[in-house]
Amino acid sequence: GENVEQHPSTLSVQEGDSAVIKCTYSDSASNYFPWYKQELGKGPQLIIDIRSNVGEKKDQRIAVTLNKTAKHFSLHITETQPEDSAVYFCAASRRYSTLTFGKGTMLLVSP
Amino acid sequence: NAGVTQTPKFRVLKTGQSMTLLCAQDMNHEYMYWYRQDPGMGLRLIHYSVGEGTTAKGEVPDGYNVSRLKKQNFLLGLESAAPSQTSVYFCASSYHLSGRAGNEQFFGPGTRLTVL
Repeated sequence: GENVEQHPSTLSVQEGDSAVIKCTYSDSASNYFPWYKQELGKGPQLIIDIRSNVGEKKDQRIAVTLNKTAKHFSLHITETQPEDSAVYFCAASRRYSTLTFGKGTMLLVSP
Repeated sequence: NAGVTQTPKFRVLKTGQSMTLLCAQDMNHEYMYWYRQDPGMGLRLIHYSVGEGTTAKGEVPDGYNVSRLKKQNFLLGLESAAPSQTSVYFCASSYHLSGRAGNEQFFGPGTRLTVL
């Protein structure tokens, strides 16, 4: 089955800095890679996703890049704000299959 | 719309007791999921359902049973709770599985279960 590794497990940045979270996956047939954000005491929420036919996708301050050859994808958050503090999960799946999640990254943005 | 709701929010059980967690969604989603979240382990899929009356095993199904008698409800049962089942349980739903438009999973607020 699919195995998703996520790094780092914790990340501390100053407000305004950029943050990068990286994930690798094992199944070369995986073609869908979402990122979920989980705020304290809440369920995860989708923030951005990318499919294998695209190398990069942006949505305002967040972007995701995908390297199919190396089987890794990354989340980039620019101009971080305190409200970006949360746990972020990457995930991967084949088409018409369930998601396999990484173990999560706790991002702390200090004012 | 309420989205995905879970009942109860908190529960403490003794080893060997049984309980049922209820998940309800009002988005007319076909697919529903149960995950457990443990520190440092991320989200692991317990069971899922691809439609009313169907269920399938996920990554960590042992010790759990599920039922989907109505499209909007997905129940997770623990027949004989063990301390290893202490966790936060999340239910989610989606219109489609991955690979099709509408595959975003919407999560409930979670149920924190402690087994003593």
